[in-house]
Amino acid sequence: EAGVTQFPSHSVIEKGQTVTLRCDPISGHDNLYWYRRVMGKEIKFLLHFVKESKQDESGMPNNRFLAERTGGTYSTLKVQPAELEDSGVYFCASSHYSSPNTEAFFGQGTRLTVV
Amino acid sequence: GNSVTQMEGPVTLSEEAFLTINCTYTATGYPSLFWYVQYPGEGLQLLLKATKADDKGSNKGFEATYRKETTSFHLEKGSVQVSDSAVYFCALKGDMGSSNTGKLIFGQGTTLQVKP
Repeated sequence: EAGVTQFPSHSVIEKGQTVTLRCDPISGHDNLYWYRRVMGKEIKFLLHFVKESKQDESGMPNNRFLAERTGGTYSTLKVQPAELEDSGVYFCASSHYSSPNTEAFFGQGTRLTVV
Repeated sequence: GNSVTQMEGPVTLSEEAFLTINCTYTATGYPSLFWYVQYPGEGLQLLLKATKADDKGSNKGFEATYRKETTSFHLEKGSVQVSDSAVYFCALKGDMGSSNTGKLIFGQGTTLQVKP
């Protein structure tokens, strides 16, 4: 069974440009999460999808970030326009349930560098 | 709100040394606690978990005990190997009574380097 897959693995863009990150969760997992780790700090929650619906987007930093999950399968996270402080590693995770003891499976992350 | 604090790194040890990485948390109710590990060039992997007080999670020689009285979940290993070099993250997930949506709250990560 394939794990969580993220594309691209690395992206270097200039300030002001647009970047779209993609996450393919494990097949059948209704719950999909986006997280971000900036500058070696803690990994912070961005948002949570249940199927195609946004369950919790309290961690989204500002309106330059747009996440979608059309059809409840893969998800995209678009940053437009990118700023220097958006640099970091973006992780996607998926799980079958959202209960406290359910394991979330993570992708390898996308390292975004804004120059 | 919920939060996790883990010891600052990096931690550098010699092979076969004893490892402790401290983790404390703040949370309402009864959260579940996790340790995740990120090996170089790889994604986050669940290392172990504990879902209620006094539970001990264990995997690959690592152990951590859920201590509610001290709100801690310290990671330990009796004899580390070079292959254990990685970044370790302590995390919690709130219980369903705290309107939790299943999101994880992470600590800042501790880099472990084990030298031969």
